[in-house]
Amino acid sequence: GENVEQHPSTLSVQEGDSAVIKCTYSDSASNYFPWYKQELGKRPQLIIDIRSNVGEKKDQRIAVTLNKTAKHFSLHITETQPEDSAVYFCAASRSRAGNMLTFGGGTRLMVKP
Amino acid sequence: KAGVTQTPRYLIKTRGQQVTLSCSPISGHRSVSWYQQTPGQGLQFLFEYFSETQRNKGNFPGRFSGRQFSNSRSEMNVSTLELGDSALYLCASSLGGAREKLFFGSGTQLSVL
Repeated sequence: GENVEQHPSTLSVQEGDSAVIKCTYSDSASNYFPWYKQELGKRPQLIIDIRSNVGEKKDQRIAVTLNKTAKHFSLHITETQPEDSAVYFCAASRSRAGNMLTFGGGTRLMVKP
Repeated sequence: KAGVTQTPRYLIKTRGQQVTLSCSPISGHRSVSWYQQTPGQGLQFLFEYFSETQRNKGNFPGRFSGRQFSNSRSEMNVSTLELGDSALYLCASSLGGAREKLFFGSGTQLSVL
């Protein structure tokens, strides 16, 4: 089955700096790659996603890049703010029907004021 | 619209018992997925239901089962509880297609003593 590895497991940055989280996946048939943010004690929420027919997608301060050949994708957060502090999960899916996500282990991002 | 609702919020059980968790999806959503979240294993997919049928299944033992009712509400059952079943169980709903945004509930925190 699919395996998703995520690095780093923890990341500490100064407010205003950029943060990059990387994920690799094993199944070349995977075609959907979402990122979820989970604040302490709260439910995961989708922040951005990318499909395999696109190499990059941007939404304000957040961007995701996908390299299908190397089977890895990355989350980029620019101009980080304290409210960006959370655990971020990448995921991959090859489902033709439905939504079966394989998640990475998560990255705890801490943004220091 | 009301969000995804999970009940109960907390559960304490002893080894060998069984437990039933409930999930009410967002109105109009026909797909309900279940995930187990633990500090060590992250988020792991249990199963997905769509139109009262199990559409996808993860790698969990047969002690974990679920069902979906005609109103899309879903229940998850764990029989013969083990200490390792202690986790946050999250359900997520979506419209029912593939590669969709998942809306997570707040989860049920299960502790097995």
